[in-house]
Amino acid sequence: AQKITQTQPGMFVQEKEAVTLDCTYDTSDPSYGLFWYKQPSSGEMIFLIYQGSYDQQNATEGRYSLNFQKARKSANLVISASQLGDSAMYFCASNTGGFKTIFGAGTRLFVKA
Amino acid sequence: GAVVSQHPSWVICKSGTSVKIECRSLDFQATTMFWYRQFPKQSLMLMATSNEGSKATYEQGVEKDKFLINHASLTLSTLTVTSAHPEDSSFYICSVQQGPNQPQHFGDGTRLSIL
Repeated sequence: AQKITQTQPGMFVQEKEAVTLDCTYDTSDPSYGLFWYKQPSSGEMIFLIYQGSYDQQNATEGRYSLNFQKARKSANLVISASQLGDSAMYFCASNTGGFKTIFGAGTRLFVKA
Repeated sequence: GAVVSQHPSWVICKSGTSVKIECRSLDFQATTMFWYRQFPKQSLMLMATSNEGSKATYEQGVEKDKFLINHASLTLSTLTVTSAHPEDSSFYICSVQQGPNQPQHFGDGTRLSIL
């Protein structure tokens, strides 16, 4: 069975600095996708970045990058140059060979001015 | 990417009322949609997978008769919370996915409060 672990319930970062949100996953399926979503206080879920299990390079999307370490089964999200608007809940998620997606418990990020 | 519309955004109603939540895929024909429930400060919990033209697939522990799902067309899935009680109060959110291992696109969610 799939499992996503996010061990940081909350994180603080100074504005304009970089922050890493941790995520480890557990799956025996060789084909899987890893995702990060942002959920502001308003509730909507915003897709940020995707990494496929066979991708050779780490995914990047603007200020977001995914530090994918396959052997360690980790998929950490790095946010560079943090902005106040980055304050939100961040969820790591995965699915294996299909449609069903499993979410981690989430990390609350607080960006300080 | 797919755009998902979910209505209503919030509902406040009396105990015993049935509440219907709609989820529309606006630019993508979705044979599969997903319904999640989220309690405050918790993660999303998959309730069921809505399948166009057939019965929904419910996750373990989710009452099928309490949470009725209908996916009558490729663009619309509805979740009806029947005879709602205060413990059903939660944030309900739907999503669509364009293919295997693709990201999900979510509606804006529905905040349900049962008095």
